[in-house]
Amino acid sequence: DGGITQSPKYLFRKEGQNVTLSCEQNLNHDAMYWYRQDPGQGLRLIYYSQIVNDFQKGDIAEGYSVSREKKESFPLTVTSAQKNPTAFYLCASSIEGHRLTNTEAFFGQGTRLTVV
Amino acid sequence: GQQLNQSPQSMFIQEGEDVSMNCTSSSIFNTWLWYKQEPGEGPVLLIALYKAGELTSNGRLTAQFGITRKDSFLNISASIPSDVGIYFCAGHTGANSKLTFGKGITLSVRP
Repeated sequence: DGGITQSPKYLFRKEGQNVTLSCEQNLNHDAMYWYRQDPGQGLRLIYYSQIVNDFQKGDIAEGYSVSREKKESFPLTVTSAQKNPTAFYLCASSIEGHRLTNTEAFFGQGTRLTVV
Repeated sequence: GQQLNQSPQSMFIQEGEDVSMNCTSSSIFNTWLWYKQEPGEGPVLLIALYKAGELTSNGRLTAQFGITRKDSFLNISASIPSDVGIYFCAGHTGANSKLTFGKGITLSVRP
C-alpha cells in the first residue's frame, strides 16, 4: 500500500546526542515536510523540500538538519544544538513541490522523541 | 506570516449532537484543508476545499470554503465517540506558499 512511513514510533536519546528520524514515502510525491508538534502549539514547520537535492528552512529550523538525496526519503537529524528537542515529530508529503497551491499534504504516523 | 485562528481550544459535546468549528484568517486563502488527529497518530485529511463558496461533504462531515476566502467551517453531524480527536484547519495563500496550520480544536464526545 502507498503511504508515508516514519520510524521509529518512539525514540529516546541522551542529552547532547544527535539523533536521526526516518521518513520514507512511496507515493511518488515531489515535496516532503517535517513538522514539530507540542501540546497547544499546533504544527510548526521545521524544514521542507520541494524537489530532490533541495530543501528550505521552515519556521523553527535551528538545531535541526535534513537531507534529500532520494525522492522517497527525507531524514531529519535533531542535533545537540536543539535546546528543547522532546516533542512529537511529523513528516508529510505532497504531490507537487514546485507549485504548492491546491496541494494536499499527507502525514506519517509520527515519531515521539524524548530526551532523557 | 499568515495565521489561522481556531477557537475555542477545546469543545465538549454529547453523543448525537452536531458540532461546528470555524477557522479564520486576516489573509485570503486559495485552499482550505481540514484534518483530524487521534492521540499518538499523524493527522488524516478529511476534506479539501479549492473554491470560494464550495461546500463539500464526507459522510457526517461537511466543510465550506467561505465566500470572503478568509474563513472555513467544518460541521460534524450526529457525533459519535470515535469523533474524538484534534481537528486542524490548514490552507495555502497562493502559488508557492507554504501550508499554514491552525492550532487545532480538541473535541471530546460524552457517551
